[in-house]
Amino acid sequence: RKEVEQDPGPFNVPEGATVAFNCTYSNSASQSFFWYRQDCRKEPKLLMSVYSSGNEDGRFTAQLNRASQYISLLIRDSKLSDSATYLCVVKEGPIGSSNTGKLIFGQGTTLQVKP
Amino acid sequence: DGGITQSPKYLFRKEGQNVTLSCEQNLNHDAMYWYRQDPGQGLRLIYYSQIVNDFQKGDIAEGYSVSREKKESFPLTVTSAQKNPTAFYLCASSIPGQGVVRTAFFGQGTRLTVV
Repeated sequence: RKEVEQDPGPFNVPEGATVAFNCTYSNSASQSFFWYRQDCRKEPKLLMSVYSSGNEDGRFTAQLNRASQYISLLIRDSKLSDSATYLCVVKEGPIGSSNTGKLIFGQGTTLQVKP
Repeated sequence: DGGITQSPKYLFRKEGQNVTLSCEQNLNHDAMYWYRQDPGQGLRLIYYSQIVNDFQKGDIAEGYSVSREKKESFPLTVTSAQKNPTAFYLCASSIPGQGVVRTAFFGQGTRLTVV
């Protein structure tokens, strides 16, 4: 089983649609969680951190479910400019015990928003 | 401005040659990472370093070497033992910590091509 798993998609949605991505992780000791956005042939950039209480930034909402070990990203009112690959990222705790201190990426979910 | 800088942006290597990719950050981050991304694929961890003079192998370390003599610098050498080095290489840095959400920042990447 991969440490961080995402559905690669692609998700093809019309403008204005609501779309949700899920990501599962295998290490229950994982410490921090993020969603990154990567445009074609560019470096990943932080979209938002994911907190246990859930967090919202404009049209984007992130949720963390530690019990089920998954993270979600919801995008409302999709724009053409939202077309990109969305990477789920898990940061493990500092080295020691079962932790490796690594920053682990899922393979990404591709979103295509159509006019 | 604070940031993380990779150089060169494009690099061509002849078969059998070693090449070194540069990664420098002035964010005062303790942790640094090297990832490899192949077309249409996610990021795979090559090496990471939590602190100066210490580093650990990631998932695909064979054929690569690193050093961490200074906090600001984490160069990656792609050796002739790496049989398929053509890829997009990304360097990242972050602040390691426990119980605190810490983000990672990426350099703009180096595209390595074997000719």
